[in-house]
Amino acid sequence: KNEVEQSPQNLTAQEGEFITINCSYSVGISALHWLQQHPGGGIVSLFMLSSGKKKHGRLIATINIQEKHSSLHITASHPRDSAVYICAGRISNIGNEKLTFGTGTRLTIIP
Amino acid sequence: KAGVTQTPRYLIKTRGQQVTLSCSPISGHRSVSWYQQTPGQGLQFLFEYFSETQRNKGNFPGRFSGRQFSNSRSEMNVSTLELGDSALYLCASSPNHGQLDGYTFGSGTRLTVV
Repeated sequence: KNEVEQSPQNLTAQEGEFITINCSYSVGISALHWLQQHPGGGIVSLFMLSSGKKKHGRLIATINIQEKHSSLHITASHPRDSAVYICAGRISNIGNEKLTFGTGTRLTIIP
Repeated sequence: KAGVTQTPRYLIKTRGQQVTLSCSPISGHRSVSWYQQTPGQGLQFLFEYFSETQRNKGNFPGRFSGRQFSNSRSEMNVSTLELGDSALYLCASSPNHGQLDGYTFGSGTRLTVV
């Protein structure tokens, strides 16, 4: 079992819909990151969270430390939001810190 | 300002050879991290360098190594290439160590091992 799990794996929605992507982790983390990867491979760092909630434009990220769960929400979705969204946990172990990635959620927004 | 530059963009190598990939960070950024992305394993963290020192390391064999120069440019080397090393290799730079928030990713080097 992966230490960081994402769901759903694929998500197709109509333009304007509210989107939720979930990320759960089974180990302690110091931070949780959300990344966006467009076709062609370019990756953009969206958020880093250690607690609470962050908002940037139409994107909102939340984290519940006790439940080991984070969500990424997109309001008023648009075709340009079509991308793969990846969460990553920053895990510390004996002085070494490494990022462990979820498998990604492929989001397709239909006009 | 210029983004993170990775060279080359594409590379084809033969099994058993070695390869060196380069990453030039954004000017002023001192931290560079490397990642491997494959269809089967997804994104995996390789290592992170800051001030010419490896700070963090993922779970890759010793065939994967890296270094960082005094101008913060970084190189990644893979020796004795295997077919499974075929992947997109991404680097990211950040002003400081340990902060993915504020990281900027390069476009990657796509390595094919035949």
